[in-house]
Amino acid sequence: DIQMTQSPASLSASLGETVTIECRASEDIYNGLAWYQQKPGKSPQLLIYNANSLHTGVPSRFSGSGSGTQYSLKINSLQSEDVASYFCQQYYNYPPYTFGAGTKLELK
Amino acid sequence: QVQLKETGPDLVQLTQTLSITCTVSGFSLTTYNVHWVRQPPGKGLEWMGAMWNGGGTDYNSAFKSRLSISRDTSKSQVFLKMNSLQTDDTAKYFCASLMYTTDYHYFDYWGQGVMVTVSS
Repeated sequence: DIQMTQSPASLSASLGETVTIECRASEDIYNGLAWYQQKPGKSPQLLIYNANSLHTGVPSRFSGSGSGTQYSLKINSLQSEDVASYFCQQYYNYPPYTFGAGTKLELK
Repeated sequence: QVQLKETGPDLVQLTQTLSITCTVSGFSLTTYNVHWVRQPPGKGLEWMGAMWNGGGTDYNSAFKSRLSISRDTSKSQVFLKMNSLQTDDTAKYFCASLMYTTDYHYFDYWGQGVMVTVSS
């Protein structure tokens, strides 16, 4: 199974700041990566797929990048509604689909 | 509009069997793939298994032989059944639809989840 290592586990940032979350795969996943946002008590929502493709309706301040085993999610100009947990998920090699452990983003 | 809704028990006794139903609307189970994902309190997401639109299934080997997924297309329902429950099976259980193409797969619609506590 492909292991996904996500960092940091938690992050505190100020409004307007730029935030970056990293995800490392245990082997090359050839951009087969999605990012999800999960607000407290809610279901995950898709942000990014194919490592860098923005899902319909997702604000353009979210972006994804990376290749091989290293990927990142960037949030420009942090807004209060971005307070959430973020998860990466690989789909290159399945089953199983595997997720990162998550990053909890809070406001400073 | 696509919707998924899980129904199941809040509480299951240790070693007993968990049964959850995912009822979908806005799409056909013969067109969309429905998967199960769980999340222990305060923790990450774990993929459990899949009901593919063609009727085939896949399972996470972490659940060995205690997990079973089935469906009733006439009722637009997908069923999860897992036996020999332990306390670490306490989690919120989600069903989600998987958008699947040759280039990408992603979970595009999710149910609200059902929180299941395993009690001794």
